Amino acid sequence: AAGVIQSPRHLIKEKRETATLKCYPIPRHDTVYWYQQGPGQDPQFLISFYEKMQSDKGSIPDRFSAQQFSDYHSELNMSSLELGDSALYFCASSPEYNEQFFGPGTRLTVL
Amino acid sequence: GQQLNQSPQSMFIQEGEDVSMNCTSSSIFNTWLWYKQDPGEGPVLLIALYKAGELTSNGRLTAQFGTTRKDSFLNISASIPSDVGIYFCAGRNTDKLIFGTGTRLQVFP
Repeated sequence: AAGVIQSPRHLIKEKRETATLKCYPIPRHDTVYWYQQGPGQDPQFLISFYEKMQSDKGSIPDRFSAQQFSDYHSELNMSSLELGDSALYFCASSPEYNEQFFGPGTRLTVL
Repeated sequence: GQQLNQSPQSMFIQEGEDVSMNCTSSSIFNTWLWYKQDPGEGPVLLIALYKAGELTSNGRLTAQFGTTRKDSFLNISASIPSDVGIYFCAGRNTDKLIFGTGTRLQVFP
């Protein structure tokens, strides 16, 4: 069965640079969620979209923004990167607020 | 914010043993979910619970939605080496998931 696709899988950036993470949800899933997981931590909710509109917002820094496009894929844009942004970033998708299925994640390292 | 506490924090067991872990919250949730995460990978959904008191099984896994809606339990029977990983509970009221602190399971042959 098709799963959530995230790209890139690994990303290395310098401080103050910008990063863009992409998420392709499972076909026919209209809701996308972004989570951040620091080393040894549980995933923390950042933001979600339903039918291309932002539906909920968590502890997402103002330096981050995200959107969902007409084909339902989503992008998380991160600017002025800081060392503390180094983490695993997961995208999850669901069919209209039902069970969330997670992608393999993007490991972001900020040097 | 909401906090989900999982216990135990880690477990070291022998292959074939049964495992129990639980998750408690200071808040009520409408849905409880259990995920397993391997290192560097995304969480994989194991069981979803939608009703207080509900008991659901998935193979060797059994989970229960506590009657107070503030807790949930996961049991794994006859553990095998591939059960190794981190188990997270998650509560949901709207759309976002609130994750527990995780239980790290090690299984020795």
